[in-house]
Amino acid sequence: DTAVSQTPKYLVTQMGNDKSIKCEQNLGHDTMYWYKQDSKKFLKIMFSYNNKELIINETVPNRFSPKSPDKAHLNLHINSLELGDSAVYFCASSQGGGIKSYEQYFGPGTRLTVT
Amino acid sequence: AQTVTQSQPEMSVQEAETVTLSCTYDTSESDYYLFWYKQPPSRQMILVIRQEAYKQQNATENRFSVNFQKAAKSFSLKISDSQLGDAAMYFCAYREYGNKLVFGAGTILRVKS
Repeated sequence: DTAVSQTPKYLVTQMGNDKSIKCEQNLGHDTMYWYKQDSKKFLKIMFSYNNKELIINETVPNRFSPKSPDKAHLNLHINSLELGDSAVYFCASSQGGGIKSYEQYFGPGTRLTVT
Repeated sequence: AQTVTQSQPEMSVQEAETVTLSCTYDTSESDYYLFWYKQPPSRQMILVIRQEAYKQQNATENRFSVNFQKAAKSFSLKISDSQLGDAAMYFCAYREYGNKLVFGAGTILRVKS
């Protein structure tokens, strides 16, 4: 069974469209994340949710809106897509979001291409 | 904000040999966690090893070990008996409070047969 899954794995769309990426984890974790990996392979966190509550919100354009319907799901909705949004988006999860260390488990990534 | 630096964009190693990937970081915290992640061409992010800053003993996972120098803020990864399957991009990461991972730019490791 896949621990952290994302759909779709590939997404090709045109500028100006709205799209969503879904993420689900079956590890029973209470914290989920979205990371963006750009064309230079640089990884940066975008958002983090703990028990459906937003706890990390980096300087991301407000065209990006995460939504967590329950603690096993964290979806990413992107409005008015731009060329610069092309990247690989990773979902991750962990148990705990505070001072204790828990490894983050990553999904397979979604490669978004905006044309 | 904490920063993580990987100064080697690319490294090569002969199969069965040992290679060390470098990582330095900047922090004012005394208690934190460091990780190495591997990203093969499949792009899956795989946790290789982690180190708690309060532990003096270097972490080891089979052929992977770290050299953690807290005072120098250095966290290098040693891969022994390199295998073709070790070829990947390796990321060093620092865990900030709130469990946010700050990643280095990555090092591409090539393994020659």
